[in-house]
Amino acid sequence: GQQVMQIPQYQHVQEGEDFTTYCNSSTTLSNIQWYKQRPGGHPVFLIQLVKSGEVKKQKRLTFQFGEAKKNSSLHITATQTTDVGTYFCAGQGSNKLVFGAGTILRVKS
Amino acid sequence: DAGVIQSPRHEVTEMGQEVTLRCKPISGHNSLFWYRQTMMRGLELLIYFNNNVPIDDSGMPEDRFSAKMPNASFSTLKIQPSEPRDSAVYFCASTTGGHYEQYFGPGTRLTVT
Repeated sequence: GQQVMQIPQYQHVQEGEDFTTYCNSSTTLSNIQWYKQRPGGHPVFLIQLVKSGEVKKQKRLTFQFGEAKKNSSLHITATQTTDVGTYFCAGQGSNKLVFGAGTILRVKS
Repeated sequence: DAGVIQSPRHEVTEMGQEVTLRCKPISGHNSLFWYRQTMMRGLELLIYFNNNVPIDDSGMPEDRFSAKMPNASFSTLKIQPSEPRDSAVYFCASTTGGHYEQYFGPGTRLTVT
């Protein structure tokens, strides 16, 4: 079945450093979504990418969808303490959304 | 909009007891999802409904788990009998369609002793 792999599992950065998490699907996706879950909270939708090679930005966050629509990345520029949490990618296959394992981001101030 | 509502927020029960988790999706959403989250296994899709009909229950761990959606505004996830390994956070999510963003509820933290 469809699998979505996400790396790294965990990253601890100094405030102000950049952060990137990568997502790879075993199958071609119709779209990919990104969610953020704060500690003790629930996943909250950030963005959806649909087109091959698409790049979208939200302030310090940059999301990319690969040309083959099988991989994606989330890059945060100059991390802040408010960025802490777990970032999940979720790949939409033929009939359901499959979540990656998530990347836990910790930021040292 | 109140968002997705789940109850109870916390549940502590003894092994062998029946547990029922409840979810009220966002009004107008026609797809509903039940997820389980643990440190070991991450976020797992258990079952999802479209227009109150179960579409994919392949993630339901075993026969002890059952889910119903009697109408568009209510769903339950039942575990009978519960076991310690069922301890997890259970999330309900809803969306306007299968390919759109999902709105998650606050979750139910279940502890089975």
